[in-house]
Amino acid sequence: GAVVSQHPSRVICKSGTSVKIECRSLDFQATTMFWYRQFPKQSLMLMATSNEGSKATYEQGVEKDKFLINHASLTLSTLTVTSAHPEDSSFYICSARVGSSGYEQFFGPGTRLTVL
Amino acid sequence: AQRVTQPEKLLSVFKGAPVELKCNYSYSGSPELFWYVQYSRQRLQLLLRHISRESIKGFTADLNKGETSFHLKKPFAQEEDSAMYYCALCSGAGSYQLTFGKGTKLSVIP
Repeated sequence: GAVVSQHPSRVICKSGTSVKIECRSLDFQATTMFWYRQFPKQSLMLMATSNEGSKATYEQGVEKDKFLINHASLTLSTLTVTSAHPEDSSFYICSARVGSSGYEQFFGPGTRLTVL
Repeated sequence: AQRVTQPEKLLSVFKGAPVELKCNYSYSGSPELFWYVQYSRQRLQLLLRHISRESIKGFTADLNKGETSFHLKKPFAQEEDSAMYYCALCSGAGSYQLTFGKGTKLSVIP
């Protein structure tokens, strides 16, 4: 099956610093990648949709200057949390859609961000 | 706006008992519906989708457009079924975005 990786799996940073999270599709080309945020014991909340070679589409209420998304290639999307604050601490999950067909999304293992 | 509702946060059943995880949706068009499962310390993975009408690990789900439901069922629960289950809807309107329900934690008691 299609495999999606995320790096790092866990990161702790100081308030005010920026953190970059990578999402890679390992064995397929992902035209579209998605970034989610999951709070403890809650569901996944879609943050943005990332299309290769174009600007990401952010969901309402998600600050695009805060959460910078870059999808430079068909196998890599990055999420940068800029000037992180404790309230940004969360579990960030990416997913990727295979090529240009199908609705199925393959999920990464997630990244646990803790901002001190 | 589309919405997915999973009314039960937690469902506990005994091993061998039938399981039904409820999912209702709200969407004006023809949605694509999915069940995703997340086992302990593992990533989210697709369990089944309504268009394929398949049975995976003994689970089935039928789309009922009249009741706008997509309940997940299994006749005999196994301990390894214990996990978080998420119902998700894709509008299919070009964005391929998934809208998730809040999830139901299934606990199968041995």
